[in-house]
Amino acid sequence: QQQVKQSPQSLIVQKGGISIINCAYENTAFDYFPWYQQFPGKGPALLIAIRPDVSEKKEGRFTISFNKSAKQFSLHIMDSQPGDSATYFCAVQGTTDSWGKLQFGAGTQVVVTP
Amino acid sequence: EAQVTQNPRYLITVTGKKLTVTCSQNMNHEYMSWYRQDPGLGLRQIYYSMNVEVTDKGDVPEGYKVSRKEKRNFPLILESPSPNQTSLYFCASSYLTSGSYWMGTQYFGPGTRLTVL
Repeated sequence: QQQVKQSPQSLIVQKGGISIINCAYENTAFDYFPWYQQFPGKGPALLIAIRPDVSEKKEGRFTISFNKSAKQFSLHIMDSQPGDSATYFCAVQGTTDSWGKLQFGAGTQVVVTP
Repeated sequence: EAQVTQNPRYLITVTGKKLTVTCSQNMNHEYMSWYRQDPGLGLRQIYYSMNVEVTDKGDVPEGYKVSRKEKRNFPLILESPSPNQTSLYFCASSYLTSGSYWMGTQYFGPGTRLTVL
């Protein structure tokens, strides 16, 4: 019952380029949309997150774009660096009755070439 | 140092032999959660806990048990492990904010790689 569809599965981008990862969700009852970054052998770490009352959030080189009507949100990595090579997961968090429930996308492996 | 610890980090066991994976956090977080990570499936939530003695099912709770007797600990119990529970397991914790939205950052442990033969 994967309610979050993430694409692409993998991505190769040159240093300085833009990486774009997309996520689409099926249920309207979500209140929080985080992105996590995971390096090999490590646990995921929160990268950036957005609430549904804003359409865009930017933190440094990372930007989330959110389209509530289309039930889609995306992560843009500007000026990609080799240190950005990692697996990225989008996630959705439930609303009031299910705050604790989190569902993740399948992940996107990003490789940034020098 | 603020952290989430898991033990053991690696475990190979046999079908049916009960095991417990421990999780502990030193950040006084109310919320804790367990996930399993499998290739092509991302992370899937097993159980979560909003506070002591409050636990609830995630998306894949079958075959697992949890308990939350103390705020800092949230062990994952596999009473009769099967090969399909071979996976990489992560524990995470977070504070809970007041207001309409939970905006707490989840802090993940280092993971436990479990193999069930």
